[in-house]
Amino acid sequence: AQKVTQAQTEISVVEKEDVTLDCVYETRDTTYYLFWYKQPPSGELVFLIRRNSFDEQNEISGRYSWNFQKSTSSFNFTITASQVVDSAVYFCALSEADQGGKLIFGQGTELSVKP
Amino acid sequence: ETGVTQSPTHLIKTRGQQVTLRCSSQSGHNTVSWYQQALGQGPQFIFQYYREEENGRGNFPPRFSGLQFPNYSSELNVNALELDDSALYLCASSLGTVSHDTQYFGPGTRLTVL
Repeated sequence: AQKVTQAQTEISVVEKEDVTLDCVYETRDTTYYLFWYKQPPSGELVFLIRRNSFDEQNEISGRYSWNFQKSTSSFNFTITASQVVDSAVYFCALSEADQGGKLIFGQGTELSVKP
Repeated sequence: ETGVTQSPTHLIKTRGQQVTLRCSSQSGHNTVSWYQQALGQGPQFIFQYYREEENGRGNFPPRFSGLQFPNYSSELNVNALELDDSALYLCASSLGTVSHDTQYFGPGTRLTVL
């Protein structure tokens, strides 16, 4: 069965600290896609990254980086030098090749960055 | 380029009533997906529409129904509202229906059922 687990419900850090948000997934498919979305208090889900199951290269985009490890079924997200504007709920999501566009979301991690 | 828009922003209904939520897809996108997000939870897939046909459905009862129009905008209808239907309803549009098509979300409609 497909499932996404974000074990950290809430994380609180002080500005400029680095923080890692964990994501563990379960799937029987060999072809799948993983996503991260950010949900600020306004409610809109903002797309951050998409990664396919055949590409295990880590990716960096500014202060954001993602570590994909198939061996542990994890797709972790690190924010370097966090800022107050990073405060939001972050969701990890899975899309399987034979399920079309159905996204399976984790429970989300609420990140609070304090000045 | 216009992003995904949803209306209304907020809605209050009473149990047993019916509600219609609306979504306009992003320019160039022909696929719309609907999600329900209860407070403190991740979004749950309701269904997806592609070229005016339902293309996949999550674990939601038939009183949740939808439409997609020729301009790819979409409606979500919920009949016989229950208290548990109170949630943020999110619409997402994408270029197509394959799993690698990124879904772009609208701001959501917050529905409260009293």
